[in-house]
Amino acid sequence: DIQMTQSPSSLSASVGDRVTITCRASQGINNYLAWYQQKPGKVPKVLIYAASTLQSGVPFRFSGSKSGTEFTLTISSLQPEDVATYYCQKYNSAPFTFGPGTKVEIK
Amino acid sequence: EVQLVESGGGLVQPGGSLRLSCTASESTISSSSMNWVRQAPGKGPEWVSYIDRGSAAIYYADSVKGRFTISRDNARNSLFLQMNSLRVEDTAVYHCTSGIPAAPRLSDSWGQGTPVTVSS
Repeated sequence: DIQMTQSPSSLSASVGDRVTITCRASQGINNYLAWYQQKPGKVPKVLIYAASTLQSGVPFRFSGSKSGTEFTLTISSLQPEDVATYYCQKYNSAPFTFGPGTKVEIK
Repeated sequence: EVQLVESGGGLVQPGGSLRLSCTASESTISSSSMNWVRQAPGKGPEWVSYIDRGSAAIYYADSVKGRFTISRDNARNSLFLQMNSLRVEDTAVYHCTSGIPAAPRLSDSWGQGTPVTVSS
């Protein structure tokens, strides 16, 4: 099975900072990669799918990109409400594995 | 907004069985591909199983293959997960989820989940 890794596992940044989270697939998955945001006590929410398509209603400060088997979620200007854990998920073929997550905090 | 509601969770001994159900406020389930996703306390989400609208494509995580069975009843707008030979490591909150037309395999809408505890 294809393995999904994320880095870093956690980060602390200031309000207004540019934040980048990376997800790597052990094999090619084309563009079948989604990013989720999970706030404490809530269910995950889709931010981006197809590697770079912003889900309806998601702020434009979130963006996604792909280079080979490496995928990046960028928050252009970190806001207090972005404190959450972010997960990637592959969905090209089963199993639709989630990454281990990146916890984002405010410095 | 889609409302998904899970039921059927509870406390069960190792080796036991449970049947989870998921219903929706609208015809969401009958018109959507569906997933079961679980989340253990303090852990990230773990994809468990997927079924497409016509039950032609069914997939399972390796961790549950041979023990869990996903099914659906479109006439009743319902989704099910039969869980047999339960293990302590199956303890989690189980969510049914539905995708979006552009990405039906995703988990865009989530129910609040039903807790499953496997313990002696």
